[in-house]
Amino acid sequence: DTEVTQTPKHLVMGMTNKKSLKCEQHMGHRAMYWYKQKAKKPPELMFVYSYEKLSINESVPSRFSPECPNSSLLNLHLHALQPEDSALYLCASSLWGTGEWGLNTGELFFGEGSRLTVL
Amino acid sequence: GDSVTQMEGPVTLSEEAFLTINCTYTATGYPSLFWYVQYPGEGLQLLLKATKADDKGSNKGFEATYRKETTSFHLEKGSVQVSDSAVYFCAIYTGANSKLTFGKGITLSVRP
Repeated sequence: DTEVTQTPKHLVMGMTNKKSLKCEQHMGHRAMYWYKQKAKKPPELMFVYSYEKLSINESVPSRFSPECPNSSLLNLHLHALQPEDSALYLCASSLWGTGEWGLNTGELFFGEGSRLTVL
Repeated sequence: GDSVTQMEGPVTLSEEAFLTINCTYTATGYPSLFWYVQYPGEGLQLLLKATKADDKGSNKGFEATYRKETTSFHLEKGSVQVSDSAVYFCAIYTGANSKLTFGKGITLSVRP
């Protein structure tokens, strides 16, 4: 299994809703990532979990709450979002964790993304 | 900090034309270099990579060579196909900040 699987593929939510995005990988990768991508822009890093611990938080607003229940799963909980949060949310994984110098070459495996629309 | 500069787009080519997409970078330390491709409505896929100077990455007819002296990683393909129409991102990674730094991306459209 060489895939990163994201669900749902599409999500529409109101500003008062609570929803979650889910990401799963079974490649034994040690780090998992959330990126946000607006149309015609490169992905922007949001969070990184390395060995199930939050390693990087790119000053993301608290209305986005990541969770890593185990080494294969990564969730992104959404609450009180704004219309400008509408974007493609990409999950990725890497074989080695952050800070593993000499091992982690930065190669990421991306999922297909969850397209979020906030009304 | 680390940065990646890609040539301005979009690029439109006829099928079987030669493709070059320029990418240069600035980095602290010795980065790994990547080209990712994003087809319409999809996530990013790794197209090719190089981890040390003079390495050549290749995949699906695309090639790029790690040029340390010019800090470049230009993407080339000898004969593009309609199916190559996508957005191409150059990216670098250094262990110093544990982050992948992307260029702005360039949209390639190939006409039949």
